[in-house]
Amino acid sequence: AQTVTQSQPEMSVQEAETVTLSCTYDTSESNYYLFWYKQPPSRQMILVIRQEAYKQQNATENRFSVNFQKAAKSFSLKISDSQLGDTAMYFCAFCGTMSGGGADGLTFGKGTHLIIQP
Amino acid sequence: DTGVSQDPRHKITKRGQNVTFRCDPISEHNRLYWYRQTLGQGPEFLTYFQNEAQLEKSRLLSDRFSAERPKGSFSTLEIQRTEQGDSAMYLCASSLRILDTQYFGPGTRLTVL
Repeated sequence: AQTVTQSQPEMSVQEAETVTLSCTYDTSESNYYLFWYKQPPSRQMILVIRQEAYKQQNATENRFSVNFQKAAKSFSLKISDSQLGDTAMYFCAFCGTMSGGGADGLTFGKGTHLIIQP
Repeated sequence: DTGVSQDPRHKITKRGQNVTFRCDPISEHNRLYWYRQTLGQGPEFLTYFQNEAQLEKSRLLSDRFSAERPKGSFSTLEIQRTEQGDSAMYLCASSLRILDTQYFGPGTRLTVL
């Protein structure tokens, strides 16, 4: 079974700073997908960024980028020029491609509560 | 609004009662997923549908949990004989095809007294 570990329960940074959220995972699969989801307070979860394991290039989406280290099974999220609206829970998630029956249910970490201070 | 919707948003029930939640996915999405999120945890995958076919049931938490998607559109999640440990947020998500991005609804928060 796959596991996803987020070792930072909470982080706090000043507005406009850069922050990096850590995620490690464990799997025996060689091809898979990794995701970062954001869950603002009392609002629904939205996708921040996704990475296909077969792609060597790290994914970027505007101020959000990842550092994907396949050998180390590490998938960190960097947020540049952080904004007050970035305050949220951030979840790292894994999806394998070898699950029986074609199941692509996500395996989530416990999350990191990111607080952006004004 | 063409996102995933869930109803009700909040449900308070007494232990032993049955509850049913509804999820309406994004209209063209064939795949629908149910997750449970307890306080301080990430969502936990429960089950999923490809159109009307439920292709994964083994992750459902007990035989008190069941899900349907009768016409391949909306889905329902039923919990029979609720227990206090069932108190959680129940999330629904949908996607267009396998391994596509999953879009989440706002969730149904269940409180069992």
